[in-house]
Amino acid sequence: GQQVMQIPQYQHVQEGEDFTTYCNSSTTLSNIQWYKQRPGGHPVFLIQLVKSGEVKKQKRLTFQFGEAKKNSSLHITATQTTDVGTYFCAGPRRGGSQGNLIFGKGTKLSVKP
Amino acid sequence: NAGVTQTPKFQVLKTGQSMTLQCAQDMNHNSMYWYRQDPGMGLRLIYYSASEGTTDKGEVPNGYNVSRLNKREFSLRLESAAPSQTSVYFCASRGQGREKLFFGSGTQLSVL
Repeated sequence: GQQVMQIPQYQHVQEGEDFTTYCNSSTTLSNIQWYKQRPGGHPVFLIQLVKSGEVKKQKRLTFQFGEAKKNSSLHITATQTTDVGTYFCAGPRRGGSQGNLIFGKGTKLSVKP
Repeated sequence: NAGVTQTPKFQVLKTGQSMTLQCAQDMNHNSMYWYRQDPGMGLRLIYYSASEGTTDKGEVPNGYNVSRLNKREFSLRLESAAPSQTSVYFCASRGQGREKLFFGSGTQLSVL
């Protein structure tokens, strides 16, 4: 069945270091979304990528969508303690209605001050 | 603007008990969703409602029922709770023509 995989599962960094999480889909995606969940919180939408090879930036966060639209990455430059949380990617479920997403298992980021 | 509101925030049940998780959104969204989140498992879709009057099964619907009461409200019912249903439950909504989901703050459910 359709799968969305994320690596790594956990990442521990020193404040100021960079961080990257990777998302790989078993199928071509029409778009990919990224969400952030703070500890004890709920997922919050960060961004959606639609075009092949698309790159979008939000301050220190850089999001990429692969040329084949099967993979994506999120890179954080110079992490801060406010970046702590779990980052999820999600893509449309094949055969599902719009908004029916399949989520990766997430990458949990911890930042040591 | 409250967004997506879930009640209760915490609940402890005994095996076999029933309960209903409530969800309401005030953003006039057409679509609503129930997800469960388990450690290391990400978010898995239980049921969704693409529009008022319709509901469909998601990835893990067994043991659950849903009701789309009106455009604002979408409830999730556990008829006979089992320990395997111990999880954090999130309700979400999405506006028409939009892709992103808005999540509620979640319900932490423990079934003993």
